[in-house]
Amino acid sequence: EVQLVESGGGLVKPGGSLRLSCAASGFTFSSYSMNWVRQAPGKGLEWVSSISSSSSYIYYADSVKGRFTISRDNAKNSLYLQMNSLRAEDTAVYYCARDGGAAAGTKIDYWGQGTLVTVSS
Amino acid sequence: QSALTQPASVSGSPGQSITISCTGTSSDVGGYNYVSWYQQHPGKAPKLMIYDVSNRPSGVSNRFSGSKSGNTASLTISGLQAEDEADYYCSSYTSSSHVVFGGGTKLTVL
Repeated sequence: EVQLVESGGGLVKPGGSLRLSCAASGFTFSSYSMNWVRQAPGKGLEWVSSISSSSSYIYYADSVKGRFTISRDNAKNSLYLQMNSLRAEDTAVYYCARDGGAAAGTKIDYWGQGTLVTVSS
Repeated sequence: QSALTQPASVSGSPGQSITISCTGTSSDVGGYNYVSWYQQHPGKAPKLMIYDVSNRPSGVSNRFSGSKSGNTASLTISGLQAEDEADYYCSSYTSSSHVVFGGGTKLTVL
C-alpha cells in the first residue's frame, strides 16, 4: 500500500523558514517523480513543485520560485520542501504527492494527508 | 499560469447524471492528454478519479468517466449517489512542464 506521511508543518512568522518532509513507503520511491501541492484554507489546490526520480528535473510554480527548494533522498525514501522568506499567502495545507506518469506532473496519483503551515506574526 | 476554469457548483438528484467542465488553453488541456480529475471530501486528501483524460484507476467506479474536446475537458458522473457529494478538481500538464489545477467544483447531491 502506498503511504505518504508529511511532517514539519507549524506556525512561523513572516520572513521565516520551514522544512517539510515526506516519508514514502509501499512503492519503489526512487522510480517515481514527486510533487508538492498546497491548499489554502477554504481554497482550491495549487501545484507548488515537482522533482523527477533522479532529481534531474525540478520545476516550481512562479509563486514560490526563488523561495522554495524541493529535494529528495532516494536512500531514505524521503521528499523535502525547504521554504524560505515565508509570506502570509503561503499559509496552507501542504500535500506530498506521487507522480505515476511518464514525466513529472502528468499523473499525480497518490497523496499524503497533508501538513498545515501557518505564516502569521 | 492561470487556473483552469471550472463551474463553482453543480447539483443533481440521486440516480441522475452530471457533467463538470474544465476549460484551459492550447498550452495545457488542449495540448496534452494529461488531464486528471480528483475528488476531495471535507478534511480529506484528494483522490485520483480519472487520469490521461479518460482512464480510471483501479477501484474507481465506472460511473465516473472523462472526455476532452479542444481546450475543454469534462467529468461525467452517472447514477449519482450521496457519497459522490464532494469537491472535484481537474488538473493538466502544461507546456512549461508545470501542473495547473482548476478552481474546483462543489457537487451537491440533492
